Amino acid sequence: QVQLVESGGGLVESGGSLRLSCAASGFTFSAYYMAWIRQAPGKGLEWVSYISSSGSNTHYADSVEGRFTISRDNAQNSLYLQMNNLRAEDTALYYCARDGGATGTSGLDYWGQGTLVTVSS
Amino acid sequence: VVMTQTPLSSPVTLGQPASISCRSSQSLVYSDGNTYLSWLQQRPGQPPRLLIYRISTRFSGVPDRFSGSGAGTDFTLKISRVEAEDVGVYYCMQASHFPWTFGQGTKVEIK
Repeated sequence: QVQLVESGGGLVESGGSLRLSCAASGFTFSAYYMAWIRQAPGKGLEWVSYISSSGSNTHYADSVEGRFTISRDNAQNSLYLQMNNLRAEDTALYYCARDGGATGTSGLDYWGQGTLVTVSS
Repeated sequence: VVMTQTPLSSPVTLGQPASISCRSSQSLVYSDGNTYLSWLQQRPGQPPRLLIYRISTRFSGVPDRFSGSGAGTDFTLKISRVEAEDVGVYYCMQASHFPWTFGQGTKVEIK
């Protein structure tokens, strides 16, 4: 079965860096586009970034452009989010999600449980 | 693209229908002719779960009491008969234009 497991969250000071990871299993990771979505405490969902199946195409929310970098290692079935120059407003639960396009499902069809990032000011 | 959901809260009696509206600030018809509008459910303490994609296609395992409709900039999620397990927050999401965007969320609760 499809599994996505995020890790790497924690407490960091404003201006610091973190690298989030998402370990994928149960499907052919290299065939799927992937995304990161975040949710601040008690708030709604915010799309953060997206990467194509090969990793050659990426997109970012304006709020993280230039500070965050999405990447993937298809040999390791892993997705990453490098987060630099963190701000208090980046505090959130970060989810990785699969874009089901490779199976014809045009939506984020599987989600991990999330990893919590807390930025102290 | 700004996604606006109404209502933001929907108290519903068990067994009664519920309806959530989602309006986009511009057309969600993509250059390939498809409309990448989906609906997700987030139960308390859980990650979001895909319910509907491309306006009206139910994802695998989603009960048929959930249905989606609409076109262009106006979309609707309907629950024909609300069950206790349907309590949670519902989000519309567009993936036709970058950056992808979500609605604010609609909280469905039992009266």
